[in-house]
Amino acid sequence: RKEVEQDPGPFNVPEGATVAFNCTYSNSASQSFFWYRQDCRKEPKLLMSVYSSGNEDGRFTAQLNRASQYISLLIRDSKLSDSATYLCVVPGPENRDDKIIFGKGTRLHILP
Amino acid sequence: DTGVSQDPRHKITKRGQNVTFRCDPISEHNRLYWYRQTLGQGPEFLTYFQNEAQLEKSRLLSDRFSAERPKGSFSTLEIQRTEQGDSAMYLCASSLLRGFTDTQYFGPGTRLTVL
Repeated sequence: RKEVEQDPGPFNVPEGATVAFNCTYSNSASQSFFWYRQDCRKEPKLLMSVYSSGNEDGRFTAQLNRASQYISLLIRDSKLSDSATYLCVVPGPENRDDKIIFGKGTRLHILP
Repeated sequence: DTGVSQDPRHKITKRGQNVTFRCDPISEHNRLYWYRQTLGQGPEFLTYFQNEAQLEKSRLLSDRFSAERPKGSFSTLEIQRTEQGDSAMYLCASSLLRGFTDTQYFGPGTRLTVL
């Protein structure tokens, strides 16, 4: 299994729909996880952090499944402004030089 | 603006030249990270500092790359003898380590083009 793996998409979703992405990881010792969003040619911006089973913030819900080693991001009632690339972030294994590992991102296009 | 800042925002250089980038973190943050990002990829970790100590370096960081954070505040990333493969966005992030939480906030990046 790759250290952090995401479906690259793109996901083309009509406005108002619900969309979910998964991110699988290989380091079973990881304690904290993050979702960032990145707009084209901009820096990543923190969307949500996940430390236990999950986290909810408005239309966004992040869930963690430690047994299956994946985290998911659910976006409800999607808006045009949600169009972006969503990056999954997982701490790397201890004593490795990959301190933080980003997935390659999942591209989301919200269609009017 | 109290966010992470980076300078310059864009740099175009000829192959073989040296370049230096600067990052100013959020003032109370004790950790500072450098990443490189190319088109279609997520950011790749290069190195990080806790205060002024450089704690880890990626194997991606060849001997042409050096980073410093002399007073535990701003940091510089220098690339010597640039190559075309160094063209990328160089991102800096800072965080305040609390327990095991290490939420990073990114600067706008420096886009390097090596001709």
